[in-house]
Amino acid sequence: NAGVTQTPKFQVLKTGQSMTLQCAQDMNHNSMYWYRQDPGMGLRLIYYSASEGTTDKGEVPNGYNVSRLNKREFSLRLESAAPSQTSVYFCASTPAGHPNTEAFFGQGTRLTVV
Amino acid sequence: GNSVTQMEGPVTLSEEAFLTINCTYTATGYPSLFWYVQYPGEGLQLLLKATKADDKGSNKGFEATYRKETTSFHLEKGSVQVSDSAVYFCALRGSGNTPLVFGKGTRLSVIA
Repeated sequence: NAGVTQTPKFQVLKTGQSMTLQCAQDMNHNSMYWYRQDPGMGLRLIYYSASEGTTDKGEVPNGYNVSRLNKREFSLRLESAAPSQTSVYFCASTPAGHPNTEAFFGQGTRLTVV
Repeated sequence: GNSVTQMEGPVTLSEEAFLTINCTYTATGYPSLFWYVQYPGEGLQLLLKATKADDKGSNKGFEATYRKETTSFHLEKGSVQVSDSAVYFCALRGSGNTPLVFGKGTRLSVIA
């Protein structure tokens, strides 16, 4: 099983450029999440999708948009990248009907905005 | 809202030393509690979890007990190895289908 797959693994953008981070899971999970990881800040939730067709803002949504394309895929878009968005981005998923289960994480996308 | 506070790092220990990483939480209801580990250059892996008060999670020699009276979930290991060097995150998941909330992480370095 591949689990949660993120692409790309590394990316360098110039300020003002746009890009989409892709995430796909093959575990038939209902809920998917995007987090960013910054030194000394832990993981902060950007957006999440509790089920196909729904999305909700997390703690730090400004500057981002998301699309839940289908049950498997949840993408994160930066419309106009800023240096403050330099970070490591993680996608995660959880199954439905099991509120006590852990989240499964992808390997991360390391993004640098110059 | 829900929140997690864990001890600041970095923590440096000699091999075979005892490890404790403190974690306390604030939450309504009865959250589930987790410890995740992140090895250099990798994503997060679940280390252990506990879903109700007094449960003890354990894995790879690590343990943590869900203490509702002190709202704590401290991570312990009796004898650390160099291979345990990583960043450790405490996290909680509240009642219902809510996202995980993480602490800021504690970097552990174990030297031979």
